Amino acid sequence: KAGVTQTPRYLIKTRGQQVTLSCSPISGHRSVSWYQQTPGQGLQFLFEYFSETQRNKGNFPGRFSGRQFSNSRSEMNVSTLELGDSALYLCASSFSAGTSETQYFGPGTRLLVL
Amino acid sequence: GEDVEQSLFLSVREGDSSVINCTYTDSSSTYLYWYKQEPGAGLQLLTYIFSNMDMKQDQRLTVLLNKKDKHLSLRIADTQTGDSAIYFCASKGGGNKLTFGTGTQLKVEL
Repeated sequence: KAGVTQTPRYLIKTRGQQVTLSCSPISGHRSVSWYQQTPGQGLQFLFEYFSETQRNKGNFPGRFSGRQFSNSRSEMNVSTLELGDSALYLCASSFSAGTSETQYFGPGTRLLVL
Repeated sequence: GEDVEQSLFLSVREGDSSVINCTYTDSSSTYLYWYKQEPGAGLQLLTYIFSNMDMKQDQRLTVLLNKKDKHLSLRIADTQTGDSAIYFCASKGGGNKLTFGTGTQLKVEL
């Protein structure tokens, strides 16, 4: 089975721009979660989607948004980029949204904001 | 809120055992995970333990859980240079949200 894929792998943007990142979960997985990883804050939960519905949201400003499509693929969008948004954005998928489910991570998208 | 803490750095010699420690605060944590991250890569799931277990062994990996003290450890037997990476402990309470520790950088020296 193919793993979690994320596109693009690298992005360079300038302040004020917006960006869209994509995540394709493992085949059959319906839950997708997003995390931001920075040297200063570590790994922080952004949001989780299951069956096209956002189930949980972390403590991030409204500039960070996401959605999930009927084929379980997910996108996250960051508008009005700030320098502090430079990070590795990781997507994780699991079969369902239950507590017992194990999450598998993709390779991440590295975003640099100049 | 939930908090997970780890020591930042561990250095061992090749062939020795490594023990990475983690403490967490959320008493409702039901599953605890260990992930490995190599430079420039995502997170690789190593192993996990359910909160009603004390120990889990998986080849070279042994996870010990002291639920009373909210302490989790990962022992890597016969540590190899390929084990050099950052190791993250993560807890999960309700739902699918993971709370991660700061990560422990493991350096394996020859």
